[in-house]
Amino acid sequence: EVQLLESGGGLVGPGGSLKLSCVASGFTFDNQAMSWVRQAPGKGLEWVSISASGGRFYYAESVKGRFIISRDNSKNTMFLQMNSLRGEDTAVYYCAKTIRGVITYAMDVWGQGTTVTVSS
Amino acid sequence: SFVLTQPPSLSVAPGQTARITCGGNGLGDKDVHWYQHKSGQAPLLVVYDDSDRPSGIPERFSGSNSGTTATLTISSVEADDEADYYCQVWDSGSDRRVVFGGGTKLTVL
Repeated sequence: EVQLLESGGGLVGPGGSLKLSCVASGFTFDNQAMSWVRQAPGKGLEWVSISASGGRFYYAESVKGRFIISRDNSKNTMFLQMNSLRGEDTAVYYCAKTIRGVITYAMDVWGQGTTVTVSS
Repeated sequence: SFVLTQPPSLSVAPGQTARITCGGNGLGDKDVHWYQHKSGQAPLLVVYDDSDRPSGIPERFSGSNSGTTATLTISSVEADDEADYYCQVWDSGSDRRVVFGGGTKLTVL
């Protein structure tokens, strides 16, 4: 069974940092694209970052320069290092296994999410 | 930047058909994916590549995409279908990124 388990969320002050983890199981992680998606309170889904095919990484404009996506394939784990956090980064953060089509990416399995609260 | 537009809400009686639209410039040239998201749960992929269903998704869920509009159709709507639905594409332009629509709240009357 494919499973994703996020961790690392919590309460952090504005300007602070936090590192999220996503441990994957039930599939071959090495060559699999993976994504981070968030949902702020009362808002819709917002894409954050993708570890795409070919070792390429892409970011939403709202987090570019502040967040860093990485992965440790030996531990089937993806990370999201979040720096210079702002109130608007408050959200539930989901990791998602991402399937690649000819001209597209779609997220076929999602974790349950981890909550990040940025507040003083 | 590519924008996907969805109606904020839709109400349908049980047993009727729900059609949730997603609009965007040249959307017919892209592959559209749809997600169901219930409060407190992980989002669920219900249609990918415009009209394909993942394993385990009922045939009641179907999709289409042409011109500037993609549509998720849920036939014989059930109470359990009440959720937020999001469309999504991959924008392969100069700033490569995933784009979500704003979401549609489906209420089953």
